[in-house]
Amino acid sequence: AQTVTQSQPEMSVQEAETVTLSCTYDTSESDYYLFWYKQPPSRQMILVIRQEAYKQQNATENRFSVNFQKAAKSFSLKISDSQLGDAAMYFCAYRSKGAQKLVFGQGTRLTINP
Amino acid sequence: EAGVAQSPRYKIIEKRQSVAFWCNPISGHATLYWYQQILGQGPKLLIQFQNNGVVDDSQLPKDRFSAERLKGVDSTLKIQPAKLEDSAVYLCASSQGLSTSYGYTFGSGTRLTVV
Repeated sequence: AQTVTQSQPEMSVQEAETVTLSCTYDTSESDYYLFWYKQPPSRQMILVIRQEAYKQQNATENRFSVNFQKAAKSFSLKISDSQLGDAAMYFCAYRSKGAQKLVFGQGTRLTINP
Repeated sequence: EAGVAQSPRYKIIEKRQSVAFWCNPISGHATLYWYQQILGQGPKLLIQFQNNGVVDDSQLPKDRFSAERLKGVDSTLKIQPAKLEDSAVYLCASSQGLSTSYGYTFGSGTRLTVV
């Protein structure tokens, strides 16, 4: 069974600075998808960025980018120019290509200091 | 487009009582999911529907939890009887279908407190 591990329960960063959230996963599959979700206090999970395992190029969405290291099974999220609105819980998630179930990590609480 | 609607937003019940949650997915989304998120943890899939059929309910505690999606649109999740450890946020999500490679659209969840 696949597992996802986020080893940083909490992170904090000064506004406008850069922060990196870590995620590792365990799988025997070669083709899969990885996601970062943001969960603000409203509780709704919001998709931040996705990565397809067969693509070597790291995904980027505006201020958000990932460092995908397939051999190391590592999938970190970098947030540049942090904004107060980025404060939330961030979850890393894995999805097999042949299934729909998302497997989530434990989450990292990100605090932005003004 | 309208998002995934869930109700109620909050619910407090005593242990051994029953409770039901409702979810209306995005129009046209064939796949519907219920996740349980215990405080301090990531969400865990309880059940997945494709139209009105169950695709995966391997982690659903079937002795007390039940779910249905009778017309392939909205869905209800029921707990009877509730235990203290059922206190959690119950998230509903939907996606266009089994072949989608994207993540889902989530609702805002129902926070259940069992006392």
